[in-house]
Amino acid sequence: RKEVEQDPGPFNVPEGATVAFNCTYSNSASQSFFWYRQDCRKEPKLLMSVYSSGNEDGRFTAQLNRASQYISLLIRDSKLSDSATYLCVVNRLRSNTGKLIFGQGTTLQVKP
Amino acid sequence: GAVVSQHPSWVICKSGTSVKIECRSLDFQATTMFWYRQFPKQSLMLMATSNEGSKATYEQGVEKDKFLINHASLTLSTLTVTSAHPEDSSFYICSANRDRGHNLEKLFFGSGTQLSVL
Repeated sequence: RKEVEQDPGPFNVPEGATVAFNCTYSNSASQSFFWYRQDCRKEPKLLMSVYSSGNEDGRFTAQLNRASQYISLLIRDSKLSDSATYLCVVNRLRSNTGKLIFGQGTTLQVKP
Repeated sequence: GAVVSQHPSWVICKSGTSVKIECRSLDFQATTMFWYRQFPKQSLMLMATSNEGSKATYEQGVEKDKFLINHASLTLSTLTVTSAHPEDSSFYICSANRDRGHNLEKLFFGSGTQLSVL
């Protein structure tokens, strides 16, 4: 079983749609959680950190459920520019050493 | 602008040759850098942690003699793929933490290197 699992998709949605991505992680000692965005053959870029209290950044909302070891990302009012692969990422160590574990990624394609 | 520079972006080489990839932190010192590999439609997999002035720490299953890492200065780490073979063809990417306190939100990635071995 992969340490971080995501539905690879692709998710094909029309502009303006709301789309949700889910992610599960297997190591209960994981301490930090993130969503990254990666465009084709480009470096991943931090979209947002994920906290137990949930956090929102504009059209993006992230949630963490430690008990279920489940992370989600909600995108509202999808834009064409949101088309990318969204990576669920955890830091498995207690110390923040930058050793990140990446999920396979979920591909989103927003269509006009 | 980019805070971590990675070169080259693309490499095409013949089987058996060695390829060096550079990763530079542009305006900060990075005692630790990380090297990842990503095959098509797969996740980024951590290969090794590059430590300035000491030996790199390799993840399980990564051959240290094949993937040579040198971190000779606080701003430069290099990954050399020795005797490359077609199965080494992949997207290689480095990262460095801008925050000495290891705030992971200050972790930046290089732009990646697509290696194709013929």
